[in-house]
Amino acid sequence: DAGVTQSPTHLIKTRGQQVTLRCSPKSGHDTVSWYQQALGQGPQFIFQYYEEEERQRGNFPDRFSGHQFPNYSSELNVNALLLGDSALYLCASRPWGGGALDTQYFGPGTRLTVL
Amino acid sequence: AQKVTQAQTEISVVEKEDVTLDCVYETRDTTYYLFWYKQPPSGELVFLIRRNSFDEQNEISGRYSWNFQKSTSSFNFTITASQVVDSAVYFCALSEVEGRRALTFGSGTRLQVQP
Repeated sequence: DAGVTQSPTHLIKTRGQQVTLRCSPKSGHDTVSWYQQALGQGPQFIFQYYEEEERQRGNFPDRFSGHQFPNYSSELNVNALLLGDSALYLCASRPWGGGALDTQYFGPGTRLTVL
Repeated sequence: AQKVTQAQTEISVVEKEDVTLDCVYETRDTTYYLFWYKQPPSGELVFLIRRNSFDEQNEISGRYSWNFQKSTSSFNFTITASQVVDSAVYFCALSEVEGRRALTFGSGTRLQVQP
């Protein structure tokens, strides 16, 4: 049973650039969420996608955008990178319907460094 | 708004000692989920447990046990006979049961188990 996968593992960008991170959900999951984890802090919710639509958004600026594809995989895009965007970006998936399986499973993350 | 507080930033124990990680939460929801995740140095968040707010029965899984007390809004995690492999950052998290169910995380507790 394939878990949540993310690519790339590491990424180095400079201020002002744009970046795209990718995520494939766990088998059987159709809902993908993205979280940002700054060093020494807990993950912060960015947004959630289901049926190719953004369903919920955390307190992040419009520079952060996303997309979900028909196969449930997802991308996180960040424009005009700032030094403060340096963080571990985590993707999580779950089944939309919830119930007994309503638990978010996380991928290994993409570590983004902005210089 | 939801809030999770993990007051213990870092705990250091010697192998075979018991250790309890504290978690206090705030929410206006009458029903909610509580979670514990483990984050080893590799960075991936590993799911440990999910608890429904209407089920206050404590749970034990091997060396792990969880004490949920709704009256004090606490969901504490105890590791019995700790091992070096337990060294990690542990996060407590909260989500609503209905709706979009984004996770609100605490700031984490770093556990160091010395041999």
